Amino acid sequence: SQQGEEDPQALSIQEGENATMNCSYKTSINNLQWYRQNSGRGLVHLILIRSNEREKHSGRLRVTLDTSKKSSSLLITASRAADTASYFCATDASQFYFGTGTSLTVIP
Amino acid sequence: GAGVSQTPSNKVTEKGKYVELRCDPISGHTALYWYRQSLGQGPEFLIYFQGTGAADDSGLPNDRFFAVRPEGSVSTLKIQRTERGDSAVYLCASSLGTPSDTQYFGPGTRLTVL
Repeated sequence: SQQGEEDPQALSIQEGENATMNCSYKTSINNLQWYRQNSGRGLVHLILIRSNEREKHSGRLRVTLDTSKKSSSLLITASRAADTASYFCATDASQFYFGTGTSLTVIP
Repeated sequence: GAGVSQTPSNKVTEKGKYVELRCDPISGHTALYWYRQSLGQGPEFLIYFQGTGAADDSGLPNDRFFAVRPEGSVSTLKIQRTERGDSAVYLCASSLGTPSDTQYFGPGTRLTVL
């Protein structure tokens, strides 16, 4: 079964706008990671946030983690057409669980 | 250095046949993972190796699926008596040590069972 659930399932925005995706999970974790996937093939690691961290930045990416609510958000600022992809959160409970993903479309 | 590689990139087989999928992890990574991804879904965990041994194989769906990593580097996922429901992209990933480390993914093998 999958532990993480992303919301929304699909998101369509104009280039230059910000995109926010949310992830909820069920059990305690050591860390939470966000991945991007283009065209249904290999995933690319974006950012890792540990359970004792609340916010992390990497370039145009901002990730927050609220362990009390068991949720995380990924913000992509100033989106570009190249950001079009599916985005997954993954948690490291006893296994490594991926959510169902958010499909982001950035319209040029 | 080289990333994770998987071969073949595509495999078409007939129902009932046996298939092997290969994964070459990043050199020096002790942990290796296999996932299966169906269309529109997130990757589904199958098995995790730490060195040569399977540390967690609880994601393997049934006894038709088996994976080995005899020398602690290359891994082979083996599927016996394939069924149409086995059609999916099979992803391999490796990491330095544990599931808490960043996992680096290969491009996947798209398996189609006719």
